[in-house]
Amino acid sequence: DAGVIQSPRHEVTEMGQEVTLRCKPISGHDYLFWYRQTMMRGLELLIYFNNNVPIDDSGMPEDRFSAKMPNASFSTLKIQPSEPRDSAVYFCASSRGRDEDEKLFFGSGTQLSVL
Amino acid sequence: ILNVEQSPQSLHVQEGDSTNFTCSFPSSNFYALHWYRWETAKSPEALFVMTLNGDEKKKGRISATLNTKEGYSYLYIKGSQPEDSATYLCASPTNAGKSTFGDGTTLTVKP
Repeated sequence: DAGVIQSPRHEVTEMGQEVTLRCKPISGHDYLFWYRQTMMRGLELLIYFNNNVPIDDSGMPEDRFSAKMPNASFSTLKIQPSEPRDSAVYFCASSRGRDEDEKLFFGSGTQLSVL
Repeated sequence: ILNVEQSPQSLHVQEGDSTNFTCSFPSSNFYALHWYRWETAKSPEALFVMTLNGDEKKKGRISATLNTKEGYSYLYIKGSQPEDSATYLCASPTNAGKSTFGDGTTLTVKP
C-alpha cells in the first residue's frame, strides 16, 4: 500500500482565497483524521471521520473550516476564506479502527502558507 | 493530569549516551498509549502501542514502559545514535477514537 496520500505538499495562497487540501487514506482504514501542526499549539486534532461520517469536529477552529469525506478513499479539508493565521502543516491520518490498539498512519502533510 | 504532557521539551545528548523521557496522561478511563517518532521534514510514525499496566515494549535500542495506575510512560533509548534525532510524541486515544497528543520531546544526538 502507498500509505496515506496528501496533496498538495505545499500550498502558497493569498489571504481571502479558498484552499482545498486533499487526502487519500489507506485502503481498508475506517477512521480518518485531520490534524494541524503549529509551533504554538503542537499537533491538534481538527476533525475525524468513521466510515465517512464526521464524528467529532470540535477542533475545527471556526466556520471558515469545513471537511468532507464523500467516500472511503477521499477526504477534503477546505478553508474559505483563508487567513495568514491558518498557515501551518496540515496532516491527514488514518487507522483501521477505534479499538485502543489502533495506531495512526500519517500522510506527509501539506505545508500551507497564507500571505 | 488533565492532558497529555511530555518532558523534557528538548534533550541534547552525545552519541553513545542512553537517555529517557516521560509521557504523563490522565489515568482515569485509560484506553491506550501510543508513542510516535517524528523526524524533521517527515510525518510521525508509530513506535509502540501500549495497553496494559506494566507493559514493556522494545524495538532495537528503544524501549518503553507503561504505568496506567499513576498515568505515565517512559521511553528509553540505549546508546543513542545521530539517526535517533527526532521528536518523540506520545498520544492517548479515547474510547471514541480521538487521539490527544503531547507536545513532544525533541531529541538531538551529537556525533
